[in-house]
Order: sequence, then structure tokens, then C-alpha cells
Amino acid sequence: EDKVVQSPLSLVVHEGDTVTLNCSYEVTNFRSLLWYKQEKKAPTFLFMLTSSGIEKKSGRLSSILDKKELFSILNITATQTGDSAVYLCAVCSRKGAQKLVFGQGTRLTINP
Amino acid sequence: DAGVIQSPRHEVTEMGQEVTLRCKPISGHDYLFWYRQTMMRGLELLIYFNNNVPIDDSGMPEDRFSAKMPNASFSTLKIQPSEPRDSAVYFCASSLGSGGADTQYFGPGTRLTVL
Repeated sequence: EDKVVQSPLSLVVHEGDTVTLNCSYEVTNFRSLLWYKQEKKAPTFLFMLTSSGIEKKSGRLSSILDKKELFSILNITATQTGDSAVYLCAVCSRKGAQKLVFGQGTRLTINP
Repeated sequence: DAGVIQSPRHEVTEMGQEVTLRCKPISGHDYLFWYRQTMMRGLELLIYFNNNVPIDDSGMPEDRFSAKMPNASFSTLKIQPSEPRDSAVYFCASSLGSGGADTQYFGPGTRLTVL
């Protein structure tokens, strides 16, 4: 059964700190890994990763995938209070035909 | 462009009543997903459709839950009869699907409370 495990489950830091969120996975016929940010409402898409070693970047957020070690990290630099959210990692397998398997999420709290 | 549209946004009902949740996917998207989110279990996939056909309903909790997609622009998730343990946020999402476009776009969700 496909599985996604995120760590830590919860993280509290001060504004301006840099954080690294982790996502490890076990999936048959991996196709892609996606990161979402969920504030009070619906998850919003951040990144989709398909190739190892290629960093995706958007402002202060960046992410990279390691398909050999089966994990991904999401980095946020110079954190702001608006970064407080639950960050979800999900994987899509070729076998699953568009089905995403989500991790349990990391709850990130940025204190001013 | 409008995103995924869900209605109602909030629903409060009494145990035993029928509940119908509605979803309009993004135009042109071939896949539609129904999820349930709770604090205890996180985000769970209930069922998904491809070109209006149900592909995988293994996440549907029990026979009280049913989902339909009569056309490309509309889907419903029905719970009959509802129970307090069905209280959760229900999300609908859609994706393009073709060419390996795996990104799913979520609607705002329906917060269901069953008393």
C-alpha cells in the first residue's frame, strides 16, 4: 500500500527563521510528488516534483526531490507569520491513475 | 477562471437526515475527487471519477455514502442517513489528468455538522 510520512508533525519557530519540512514515501511506480499549503480553508498547490535533484523555487519557498532515497524537503527561508499553515505532501503513482496519497501534514506556526 | 465550486459551504443537520453536497469542477478537467478531512484522520480520498465514470470508490466509508457525476460539470456526494461521526469538512477537487498533469485543485469545502 502506498504511504507518505511527513515530519515533524508540528513545528513552532520565530519569524525570520528558516524551516525544513520532510516528506518520505513508499509508492509503486512513482510518478510525482506534490506539496500543498492549507491555511484555514482548502489546500492550495505549491509545487509538483517529478525529477530528482531539480529544485523548484517560488519566492522564499523551495523544494527538492530525491527519488533514490524516496524523500522530499520543503524549505521556507525568512519565515513570516503568513507562512503559518499545515503543509501537506502527496504522491501520485502511475498505477494510481491520478490518485494522490496524502501525508498527515506538518503544522507550522510562526511566532512574531 | 472560476475554481472548483462547492455548495453549500456549511451544513448543519440532525442525525438521520439526508445530506447532499455539490461540486462543479474546473471546466475542462477530466478528473473529479471527493475527500473528507477530520482532525483524527487527516485528508481521506472517498471516491474519484474520470470522464464522469467512477474509478475508485474504495474510500467510501459505507453504503450510507454515494456519489454521482451525471455530467462533466456537476457531481454530488450524498449521505443517507447521516450520523454524527460524518461531521467533517468535505472537499471536492479536480485535475486535468492528461499528459501526467497530476495537480489537483481543491474547492473551498463544505463543513458538515451532524447533531
